[in-house]
Amino acid sequence: KAGVTQTPRYLIKTRGQQVTLSCSPISGHRSVSWYQQTPGQGLQFLFEYFSETQRNKGNFPGRFSGRQFSNSRSEMNVSTLELGDSALYLCASSPRDPTEAFFGQGTRLTVV
Amino acid sequence: AQTVTQSQPEMSVQEAETVTLSCTYDTSENNYYLFWYKQPPSRQMILVIRQEAYKQQNATENRFSVNFQKAAKSFSLKISDSQLGDTAMYFCAFMKHELLNSGYALNFGKGTSLLVTP
Repeated sequence: KAGVTQTPRYLIKTRGQQVTLSCSPISGHRSVSWYQQTPGQGLQFLFEYFSETQRNKGNFPGRFSGRQFSNSRSEMNVSTLELGDSALYLCASSPRDPTEAFFGQGTRLTVV
Repeated sequence: AQTVTQSQPEMSVQEAETVTLSCTYDTSENNYYLFWYKQPPSRQMILVIRQEAYKQQNATENRFSVNFQKAAKSFSLKISDSQLGDTAMYFCAFMKHELLNSGYALNFGKGTSLLVTP
């Protein structure tokens, strides 16, 4: 069974640009959540989607958005990038039991 | 809001020895889940062990076990017979039970960097 796949693995963007990250969950998993990991703030919850609906959202500005498609694949978008958005973005998918979250290897975003 | 505190930024242990990583949390919830995740240099988060707050028995997974003290809001991880492959960042995390069907979110501590030496 394939794991959670995040693309791209690495990304370099310029301040002010926007970026879209993709997450393909494990087959059969309908819940996808996103986390931002930085050295200063640690791991912070961004949002969670289930069956194309955002069910929960963390404390991030509106520049951070996401969506989930009917095949459970999810994308997150960050507009008007700031230097502080440089981080490892992790995606996790879960089966019916959300306490069994499986993480992808992350997308390393660098904003210059 | 729930806070998770890991007071040991770095720890070191020799191969085959036992090490304990500390975690405390603050919550007004009565029903919740606690987790330990491992993040090796590959950066992929791996679930090590989980504990349901309403279960008094401490969870065990092979060489990994926890000491869950609900009243003290403490959740430590013991790694027995440490192996070189255990070298990683270890994160303690909290999840409210009520969010299971309405949008779960893991609340992580800052992590403990564990180095296993030969």
